[in-house]
Amino acid sequence: LAKTTQPISMDSYEGQEVNITCSHNNIATNDYITWYQQFPSQGPRFIIQGYKTKVKNEVASLFIPADRKSSTLSLPRVSLSDTAVYYCLVGSSTGGGNKLTFGTGTQLKVEL
Amino acid sequence: NAGVTQTPKFQVLKTGQSMTLQCAQDMNHNSMYWYRQDPGMGLRLIYYSASEGTTDKGEVPNGYNVSRLNKREFSLRLESAAPSQTSVYFCASSDSGNSYGYTFGSGTRLTVV
Repeated sequence: LAKTTQPISMDSYEGQEVNITCSHNNIATNDYITWYQQFPSQGPRFIIQGYKTKVKNEVASLFIPADRKSSTLSLPRVSLSDTAVYYCLVGSSTGGGNKLTFGTGTQLKVEL
Repeated sequence: NAGVTQTPKFQVLKTGQSMTLQCAQDMNHNSMYWYRQDPGMGLRLIYYSASEGTTDKGEVPNGYNVSRLNKREFSLRLESAAPSQTSVYFCASSDSGNSYGYTFGSGTRLTVV
């Protein structure tokens, strides 16, 4: 399983764009990159997933360079409610018995 | 849809007691997982079940057993609880044909005294 490295914490203010970068140097050809969000006392929630280039949904964008050794989660115009821990995971397929490994994640704190 | 349902939400056990954490999903997912999360840490995989009838150890299986009762249900049993098992336990499920990853339950907060 490819190991990921991401910042322990980040601070931002409401209305700003936040970019969280994850390093995964040993990513395998079949691996996808998936980001989860976790609020206190809740289970993680899927945010976005990608394989290469750029993926965008109503919540976030995911940028993946050609070498796929890193990825950047972009949250546009964050609000206080985006304060959470964000996990970057790398694994083949989307689950289905594959053991996705969660690191310690990035604690994002959004202030007024 | 309820998604992934875990019971109980909270539990206090005395050292040496046993208990079973229940998990059920209504999304017809093939795979189910049990994770534990200690304060300030990420999730660690305890056991998983790739499909009905199969189970495999994860990163931290010692002190736990699991049962994949049917496609919907995956239970986690602590035979003799220890204070080191104080944690929040999350159940998750996934479908290999689904591109949206894991769906997690809301967790069981377990304290062993």
